[in-house]
Amino acid sequence: AQRVTQPEKLLSVFKGAPVELKCNYSYSGSPELFWYVQYSRQRLQLLLRHISRESIKGFTADLNKGETSFHLKKPFAQEEDSAMYYCALSYNNNDMRFGAGTRLTVKP
Amino acid sequence: EPEVTQTPSHQVTQMGQEVILRCVPISNHLYFYWYRQILGQKVEFLVSFYNNEISEKSEIFDDQFSVERPDGSNFTLKIRSTKLEDSAMYFCAITRQGENSPLHFGNGTRLTVT
Repeated sequence: AQRVTQPEKLLSVFKGAPVELKCNYSYSGSPELFWYVQYSRQRLQLLLRHISRESIKGFTADLNKGETSFHLKKPFAQEEDSAMYYCALSYNNNDMRFGAGTRLTVKP
Repeated sequence: EPEVTQTPSHQVTQMGQEVILRCVPISNHLYFYWYRQILGQKVEFLVSFYNNEISEKSEIFDDQFSVERPDGSNFTLKIRSTKLEDSAMYFCAITRQGENSPLHFGNGTRLTVT
């Protein structure tokens, strides 16, 4: 079955430190992967999609098919990065599975 | 067991017909959200619902759409007169009270309007 796992419910780092939010997926076909962010009860926003290979707000994510991972990274975390982050897998013509989310807290 | 179940998983309807999409939380969730994803596009926010009333809605959520909790547990999204462009995956998300409560997403309803 298709599944997205975000092993960390909570992640706390200091401002300026590197951050990595882990995401592993389970899917035998060609996945399309996304990271969405939710700031403090606001609506969900698209952060990254792997096919575009772009960097948003300093975040990057590389799809590693061998490890079935799509970890989100940022070299220097900022306080405004504090939010809930959701990894999502799209497959089979628009079916989607979301991870349980990781709450990132960036401390001053 | 999933925190939230959506039914049906797939709905095919003719243009102009009304559809009702259902979201059933497992328990004790106060905030409800509907999102949709048109094929190939990003997930878009439709509406949030708290304490039996809409707390926020997007520009997509026009008069054709409505939400309600008919029996205190189910949470429904109704589209009164469907259009071809309403074809999408519709996701319900729920969360408990509290700033740090995560969203729990349903597996979605695939709506196809023909």
